[in-house]
Amino acid sequence: GESVGLHLPTLSVQEGDNSIINCAYSNSASDYFIWYKQESGKGPQFIIDIRSNMDKRQGQRVTVLLNKTVKHLSLQIAATQPGDSAVYFCAERDDKIIFGKGTRLHILP
Amino acid sequence: SQTIHQWPATLVQPVGSPLSLECTVEGTSNPNLYWYRQAAGRGLQLLFYSVGIGQISSEVPQNLSASRPQDRQFILSSKKLLLSDSGFYLCAWSSNPVAGGEQYFGPGTRLTVT
Repeated sequence: GESVGLHLPTLSVQEGDNSIINCAYSNSASDYFIWYKQESGKGPQFIIDIRSNMDKRQGQRVTVLLNKTVKHLSLQIAATQPGDSAVYFCAERDDKIIFGKGTRLHILP
Repeated sequence: SQTIHQWPATLVQPVGSPLSLECTVEGTSNPNLYWYRQAAGRGLQLLFYSVGIGQISSEVPQNLSASRPQDRQFILSSKKLLLSDSGFYLCAWSSNPVAGGEQYFGPGTRLTVT
């Protein structure tokens, strides 16, 4: 699985543009995937989830895409706003949930 | 609705001192409970999880321990803190069995070991 000990990569996006955050998972038996948002000094919050029998799911301003062939998960945020600035974690579930290393989203004015 | 509480919110402790962090969940019964640690600028590291009272699984060897004395109470402890124990400690719960898989996180405790 992904190491949770590495320093977080950063993605910088202009305010108003779309953001795409990517995640690679390791276990082909994982049947459920989740994206979390963690603002500074707070616990992670659920954003959106997707089951392995789907390849796309949309929420409010967010879309999750799942490509099981290459074991890749992405989170798309439409019209990125300053409040979207946070660390985003993907997580996969086989018998328990494993978190990815996270990506810090930085919004440029 | 369900809520999860953690305390204290922040803690500064000297090396070698004991530790006790508490987590409680309201509004649900028989949850799975989790303790995570997050070092500054890093991802989440699962430390312990529990599927029931007195049932604790440890994910990483360390000088920390966990206990679940009641259904909705999860405690993280140490007899002697190390500098490397500094970090942001998060408690989380999920439904048991993990039907949805979603975990709900508490507000966290920031521990600084000096």
